[in-house]
Amino acid sequence: DTGVSQDPRHKITKRGQNVTFRCDPISEHNRLYWYRQTLGQGPEFLTYFQNEAQLEKSRLLSDRFSAERPKGSFSTLEIQRTEQGDSAMYLCASSRGGNSPLHFGNGTRLTVT
Amino acid sequence: AQTVTQSQPEMSVQEAETVTLSCTYDTSESDYYLFWYKQPPSRQMILVIRQEAYKQQNATENRFSVNFQKAAKSFSLKISDSQLGDAAMYFCAYRSAGVGSGGSNYKLTFGKGTLLTVNP
Repeated sequence: DTGVSQDPRHKITKRGQNVTFRCDPISEHNRLYWYRQTLGQGPEFLTYFQNEAQLEKSRLLSDRFSAERPKGSFSTLEIQRTEQGDSAMYLCASSRGGNSPLHFGNGTRLTVT
Repeated sequence: AQTVTQSQPEMSVQEAETVTLSCTYDTSESDYYLFWYKQPPSRQMILVIRQEAYKQQNATENRFSVNFQKAAKSFSLKISDSQLGDAAMYFCAYRSAGVGSGGSNYKLTFGKGTLLTVNP
């Protein structure tokens, strides 16, 4: 169990630029989740994959956001035309099926200037 | 929709003492799970303890225990013999038990967190 890995740890970008984050889940976990955490708040659900299928997207995930999980392994989260309001910590988590607990990564902190 | 409320933005405790963090939640479901997660300054969210709603017995994990009051929709975390390493942000979270109960069994709903400081 090497844990959930996220890359990069920090990203600073200018408004209007596109950014992409990567998440590598624990290898035997078929479920993968993205959450967003802003200062002073708990994480908020963004989207969920079971294997390669994206089964739910939160209304928080505007059309500038897209997530993929090709081949049911790693996942990417892309934000197009970033806005200052996108500044947050983006957390990835993975789990086995059923009611198994979620394992979180260290997150990617995005700052949009 | 479910909501989770943590009414204590910050708490402090002396090393070796006991502290209780509060959490209340709102749901119309009868079957669900409740969690306490710890997020230290290093940022990785770590599961502290989990409670199944159908179990009357309160969960315990070493120095961590919960007081689960289903009727009151209350789920507090007690940390005994507090240690410096317990200092962190603590989040209470809710998850539905399954689609059959009317919810999705993969989505966690978090409270805003309680920042715990441990004084030496």
